[in-house]
Amino acid sequence: RKEVEQDPGPFNVPEGATVAFNCTYSNSASQSFFWYRQDCRKEPKLLMSVYSSGNEDGRFTAQLNRASQYISLLIRDSKLSDSATYLCVDMYSSASKIIFGSGTRLSIRP
Amino acid sequence: EPEVTQTPSHQVTQMGQEVILRCVPISNHLYFYWYRQILGQKVEFLVSFYNNEISEKSEIFDDQFSVERPDGSNFTLKIRSTKLEDSAMYFCAIQREAQETQYFGPGTRLLVL
Repeated sequence: RKEVEQDPGPFNVPEGATVAFNCTYSNSASQSFFWYRQDCRKEPKLLMSVYSSGNEDGRFTAQLNRASQYISLLIRDSKLSDSATYLCVDMYSSASKIIFGSGTRLSIRP
Repeated sequence: EPEVTQTPSHQVTQMGQEVILRCVPISNHLYFYWYRQILGQKVEFLVSFYNNEISEKSEIFDDQFSVERPDGSNFTLKIRSTKLEDSAMYFCAIQREAQETQYFGPGTRLLVL
């Protein structure tokens, strides 16, 4: 069973649209989650941490649902520059290992 | 300002050759990681390193791989006898404290011929 699963997409949405991704995880003991974005042939870059109470950073909102073991990312008023692959990350409680999802590709069209 | 740099940015090598990939943190960090990403696939954990020893390693990190921090600064990944399937992007990541964000270097693209 995969430890972190994401819908690979691609999601192709018009500029200004709202888009949401979900990610499910299998380890109920996991403590920390993050969303990273990765542009083509570049390194993953932290987008935001995911807190139990949910958190917002500008146009981005992250939510964690421990009961159903999923996290979500909502992007409002999408920009062309939001086009990237979004990686869901599960950091095990040991902090010695993080597990990446395979990523969700997002393409914003003018 | 990047937290970490990696050298070289690209490396082409012949199968069976040894390669050393380097990770240079900009400031003091406690936790170091290596990941790889085969083209078109997901980022895969290789190894974590804390207090000058390996904390955890994945099944990918076999006897062909080793890591060290020889001068207390640079963090290296050595592949002793490269195979074709070692061709990938190798990312170093650093972390100041446990459970905090990991920052990734720009990666080394390794091509084994």
